[in-house]
Amino acid sequence: DGGITQSPKYLFRKEGQNVTLSCEQNLNHDAMYWYRQDPGQGLRLIYYSQIVNDFQKGDIAEGYSVSREKKESFPLTVTSAQKNPTAFYLCASSVGQRNEQYFGPGTRLTVT
Amino acid sequence: SQQGEEDPQALSIQEGENATMNCSYKTSINNLQWYRQNSGRGLVHLILIRSNEREKHSGRLRVTLDTSKKSSSLLITASRAADTASYFCATDPTGTASKLTFGTGTRLQVTL
Repeated sequence: DGGITQSPKYLFRKEGQNVTLSCEQNLNHDAMYWYRQDPGQGLRLIYYSQIVNDFQKGDIAEGYSVSREKKESFPLTVTSAQKNPTAFYLCASSVGQRNEQYFGPGTRLTVT
Repeated sequence: SQQGEEDPQALSIQEGENATMNCSYKTSINNLQWYRQNSGRGLVHLILIRSNEREKHSGRLRVTLDTSKKSSSLLITASRAADTASYFCATDPTGTASKLTFGTGTRLQVTL
């Protein structure tokens, strides 16, 4: 089955620690995205990548970093510089011929 | 930035009734999309309407778009308990799905 996987589903970290969220897709999509969703709110774009080895900041990139070394993978690191990291993180991908984005199941990060 | 604002924020109806939710946006678009999110899950694409279209149907879904008013509506007819979810509009300025901007969402509760 083709799709996007995110792991883990739930993640707990202590304040001050960096944490990396995994996102893998086997859809052969060129573009991948990371969003943050806070309770009762919409999605905010953190980073996106339209091609391997290239990525751009979204609306709320501060305190986050990404890499795109492989087409299939787009990991997100939440650094200790992110002031309020507790949130639901969603990864998505898209391909140019189709205008929609495909989403993974999300990772809920809790930092205490 | 949150371009789309959805109305109402929450909607509770009984099974069999129709549900209408609205989305307003601020800048020009190539297309507008609607997504569904079950609680704690990723988003699923429902329907896309292009800026030169006024109405589109897909099964029990009907979407309208009024570019002069910068607004869209999603109608779900004959709702079912399984339609309980949050619904988000997303605007696409370029037609490539590379910079979708999501609204704040409408939480729909369908009761038996």
